[in-house]
Amino acid sequence: NAGVTQTPKFQVLKTGQSMTLQCAQDMNHNSMYWYRQDPGMGLRLIYYSASEGTTDKGEVPNGYNVSRLNKREFSLRLESAAPSQTSVYFCASSEAWIGILSSYNEQFFGPGTRLTVL
Amino acid sequence: KNEVEQSPQNLTAQEGEFITINCSYSVGISALHWLQQHPGGGIVSLFMLSSGKKKHGRLIATINIQEKHSSLHITASHPRDSAVYICAVRAGTASKLTFGTGTRLQVTL
Repeated sequence: NAGVTQTPKFQVLKTGQSMTLQCAQDMNHNSMYWYRQDPGMGLRLIYYSASEGTTDKGEVPNGYNVSRLNKREFSLRLESAAPSQTSVYFCASSEAWIGILSSYNEQFFGPGTRLTVL
Repeated sequence: KNEVEQSPQNLTAQEGEFITINCSYSVGISALHWLQQHPGGGIVSLFMLSSGKKKHGRLIATINIQEKHSSLHITASHPRDSAVYICAVRAGTASKLTFGTGTRLQVTL
C-alpha cells in the first residue's frame, strides 16, 4: 500500500516547455487535489477532482490543465511553463470531497515534485 | 490580513519541553486541520476537528469556535518532532481548505 505517489520528484524546465506531473493513489479515494507550495505562502489549490469523471478549478488554475484518468490517477499538465510556475507541487487524495463536511475529509499527500522553470 | 494566521512562525525548544502552536482564523469555519510537514517535504495529516479537543499520543489539538482559535500542543517534545506544522481551515461550505504558512519547530537535545 503505497498511498499517494507522484512522479517525477524533481524537474527542471525551460520557459515554454511542457510537462505532465503524474499522481496515483491506491486507497480507493474518490477525491484528488493538486496544490502548489511557494515560500512564505500556504499551500494553494490548483485544481481538484471531487469524483472520478469530474474536475474543477481551484484558487490558482491559470497555466495548468488536469486529467482524472481513472479513479486512481490525476495528472497535472503545464502546457507552456513559465518561471512563475517554479514551485513544489503536491498531489493529495481524500475519501470524501472536502466540499462536503465529513469525517472522511482527511487528505493524504504525495511526496511532492520540485519544479524549476528557467 | 490572511484568513489563517499561525504563531509563532519559528520555534526552538529543548527536548522534553511542552510546546504550543497557535492558529487564528478570521472566517466562520466548519472544520480545522492540523498537518505536519517533515524536513524532507512530506506532509501528513495530524488532526481534523470542528469542536473541542482531540489527542493522539503526545499531540493534543484544541479549538475554540467562538474565539476563532486553535492550538496544537506537543508534550514531552523530542527532536523527531522537528517539522513545520500547518493549520488549514474549511470556511463554511467552501470546497477547499485555506492553509496557514506554517510554524517551523526545531527541538534540540
